[in-house]
Amino acid sequence: SAVISQKPSRDICQRGTSLTIQCQVDSQVTMMFWYRQQPGQSLTLIATANQGSEATYESGFVIDKFPISRPNLTFSTLTVSNMSPEDSSIYLCSVGQGGNEQFFGPGTRLTVL
Amino acid sequence: ILNVEQSPQSLHVQEGDSTNFTCSFPSSNFYALHWYRWETAKSPEALFVMTLNGDEKKKGRISATLNTKEGYSYLYIKGSQPEDSATYLCAFSDSGYALNFGKGTSLLVTP
Repeated sequence: SAVISQKPSRDICQRGTSLTIQCQVDSQVTMMFWYRQQPGQSLTLIATANQGSEATYESGFVIDKFPISRPNLTFSTLTVSNMSPEDSSIYLCSVGQGGNEQFFGPGTRLTVL
Repeated sequence: ILNVEQSPQSLHVQEGDSTNFTCSFPSSNFYALHWYRWETAKSPEALFVMTLNGDEKKKGRISATLNTKEGYSYLYIKGSQPEDSATYLCAFSDSGYALNFGKGTSLLVTP
């Protein structure tokens, strides 16, 4: 399995600002994913980030709001732009290591005031 | 969006009780069914990945079954312990990549 860390672990932000979340993996992985869980809702996939290509966004998520970088095979960032209280969520990154398994980071707990 | 339903939403049992949860998912285009255990402030922990109809998997006191034809999976915990308290998530995949999660079952085990 992969060991995944995320920074920050939590943050409280003002509306209209942006926050960049970092995801670091202890091994090289091809596929990285970004999910969010809004209060009372399911974990929902935001986008898939593969190194060397543009991120692929799921329906309802756009690059202007959630820009993603994937500079190498062990690191990715997700930015939550122009935040509103509706963006208050837990944001998680995950990695696929072949086969069917996905491993998750500990999450970033974001509160937007 | 693929609809994944989990029941019950929450469960409170006494130490030593056995319990089970249900996950229902679309029965078409099945690729894999995942179970995760998620404690607050920790990473979701992968419990099982199940791909074959009729599959049964076991990890210690926890086991799971899969019926892809009717679109459901059961997770069983035998002899619940306080350390089993967590949210149990199931996730359906039709492609081997994106996971579609249910809202989870929150389990509380009290001594």
